[in-house]
Amino acid sequence: SQTIHQWPATLVQPVGSPLSLECTVEGTSNPNLYWYRQAAGRGLQLLFYSVGIGQISSEVPQNLSASRPQDRQFILSSKKLLLSDSGFYLCAWSVPGAYGNTIYFGEGSWLTVV
Amino acid sequence: LAKTTQPISMDSYEGQEVNITCSHNNIATNDYITWYQQFPSQGPRFIIQGYKTKVTNEVASLFIPADRKSSTLSLPRVSLSDTAVYYCLVGDGLYSSASKIIFGSGTRLSIRP
Repeated sequence: SQTIHQWPATLVQPVGSPLSLECTVEGTSNPNLYWYRQAAGRGLQLLFYSVGIGQISSEVPQNLSASRPQDRQFILSSKKLLLSDSGFYLCAWSVPGAYGNTIYFGEGSWLTVV
Repeated sequence: LAKTTQPISMDSYEGQEVNITCSHNNIATNDYITWYQQFPSQGPRFIIQGYKTKVTNEVASLFIPADRKSSTLSLPRVSLSDTAVYYCLVGDGLYSSASKIIFGSGTRLSIRP
């Protein structure tokens, strides 16, 4: 069966510090990968999605970036965090070309920028 | 993905049946309708998916009329643990544009004792 893991689960970072969130998917090949952010009490905001290694589509560039160095690995980064980057970050995957395009989420990472 | 419209919030009581309707007037021929449930501090999880008529699983039922311009998620005999945000998404995976999956605001369901 397919599984998705992301880490760290929680982190507190000072303003201006770098960020790295990592996500891996097991049990499937060539998945579509996604990073979402959810501010407290708000909806899901799509940040990046990827249809293949090195292929990243950005929805909200700002000071965040994403990379896909391997087929089932997706990394969210920032060189300098802002207070507004605080939130709940979710990695997700879907099967390209599948009817219905169901998406599956990881456990999430809580980021607090102080 | 086709645009969807659903109520922002709903309230109900334990033991009641809850029906959440989603409008998707621009649904395409190949589109499926999928519902997700999200609890606080968790990612959305798949509840049910359908293309037409009725689909039922151990969690919910999904009713889709013949014109497919709307769908209704039915939760039988809800409990406090059904308090969550419910999202309706419409789309398919056949086209490259389907890779971009955007969630709407969802419906915040609150169940009271």
